[in-house]
Amino acid sequence: GAGVSQTPSNKVTEKGKYVELRCDPISGHTALYWYRQSLGQGPEFLIYFQGTGAADDSGLPNDRFFAVRPEGSVSTLKIQRTERGDSAMYLCASSSFLGETQYFGPGTRLLVL
Amino acid sequence: SQKIEQNSEALNIQEGKTATLTCNYTNYSPAYLQWYRQDPGRGPVFLLLIRENEKEKRKERLKVTFDTTLKQSLFHITASQPADSATYLCALENTGFQKLVFGTGTRLLVSP
Repeated sequence: GAGVSQTPSNKVTEKGKYVELRCDPISGHTALYWYRQSLGQGPEFLIYFQGTGAADDSGLPNDRFFAVRPEGSVSTLKIQRTERGDSAMYLCASSSFLGETQYFGPGTRLLVL
Repeated sequence: SQKIEQNSEALNIQEGKTATLTCNYTNYSPAYLQWYRQDPGRGPVFLLLIRENEKEKRKERLKVTFDTTLKQSLFHITASQPADSATYLCALENTGFQKLVFGTGTRLLVSP
């Protein structure tokens, strides 16, 4: 596709449930990033991948959060035992190489009830 | 501590005027700085990137400056239009780290 796509666009879940958020980067982009954005704030870094490996996961808030990119393209962000504080917009971005311009997807709005 | 500061108050200007948004940073050594536009409920859209060795960059009605001595970037929109109304985010990549660090954004409102 032409840009980064994310699915679902909206996700409503109950506290304690497991959710998966998917990101399809721009074709050929080797670097993929996940950010989280709360209302009125800028995006905050969670994790980035170079190829299949997580190069930096220092932004993941705790071990309930995990992300994979098994074939170096699509990535899934997984959140276990969701909490109300996990409610936010989850943004994915990709770049052709590390350090180049990051292009963002439309985001997944997660609401934990 | 490390900080990126953008004016949290909305900037209201009249159509046709130049909008100037400010981004200040503390205790970072950015390799480059980027500006993004974000509309409500949407992902950020890339506008301009300026590297540490560049003073100024232009693209159509947009201009960005980068002063590493003042630790400041200014973002200008000339001949502003109501369609320019959005939140504008600055983000920097700290040298040696690949992730972007964002400011909180400044909301721009352009009145007809």
